[in-house]
Amino acid sequence: NAGVTQTPKFRILKIGQSMTLQCTQDMNHNYMYWYRQDPGMGLKLIYYSVGAGITDKGEVPNGYNVSRSTTEDFPLRLELAAPSQTSVYFCASSYPGTSSYEQYFGPGTRLTVT
Amino acid sequence: GDSVTQMEGPVTLSEEAFLTINCTYTATGYPSLFWYVQYPGEGLQLLLKATKADDKGSNKGFEATYRKETTSFHLEKGSVQVSDSAVYFCALQKGGANSKLTFGKGITLSVRP
Repeated sequence: NAGVTQTPKFRILKIGQSMTLQCTQDMNHNYMYWYRQDPGMGLKLIYYSVGAGITDKGEVPNGYNVSRSTTEDFPLRLELAAPSQTSVYFCASSYPGTSSYEQYFGPGTRLTVT
Repeated sequence: GDSVTQMEGPVTLSEEAFLTINCTYTATGYPSLFWYVQYPGEGLQLLLKATKADDKGSNKGFEATYRKETTSFHLEKGSVQVSDSAVYFCALQKGGANSKLTFGKGITLSVRP
C-alpha cells in the first residue's frame, strides 16, 4: 500500500492565483481530512469528509473548497490565494472500525503565497 | 472548547538521556489521547495512544499514561537515540462522525550523539 499520497510537494503561488492540492489514499478509508500546519503551531482542521459525496467544514474553512467524488480522492481547492494561506497542508484518512479513529497522514504540501 | 497544551520547546538532549515531554488537556467527556511524531520532511505518524483513564500507550520505547485526575498524558522514554530527533505532537480526539484531532503546538526534540 502507498498509504496517503499528496501532490505537489512544494508550490509557490502569486496572490490571487488558484490551485488544487491532490490527496489520494489506497486503504479504502471512509474518512478523510485536510489540515494546515502553521509554523510553531499544531495542525488545524480545514475540511473533512465521512464518505464519497459528503463533506463538512472544520475549524478554518474560509478560502478553501473540497469535493469527494470517490472514496480514494479528496482534493483541496484554493480559489484566490492569499499570503495567510502560506502553510504546510496535510491530508489524512481513517477508518472508523475501532474504538478510536486513528488517522494516517500524507507527507504534506508546502505552499507559499507571495 | 477542547484544547491541548504542550510544554515549550525546543528540547535538546544527549544520546541515552531520559526524556519527558509534558502534555495536559482540557476536554469534556472522555477523549482518546495520542502522541504523533513528525520526522524531518515527513508527515505525522501515530506513535502511541490511550483510549481510557489509566491506560498506558507504548511503542518504540516510548510510554505515556492517561491520567484523568491530572488531565495529563506525558510522554517518556528511558534512553533517547539520535534517530528520535523529530517533532512530537500531543492530540486528543472524541468519537463520532466529526472525529477530528485537536493538536498541541508540538515540540521539537534534538538528540545529539
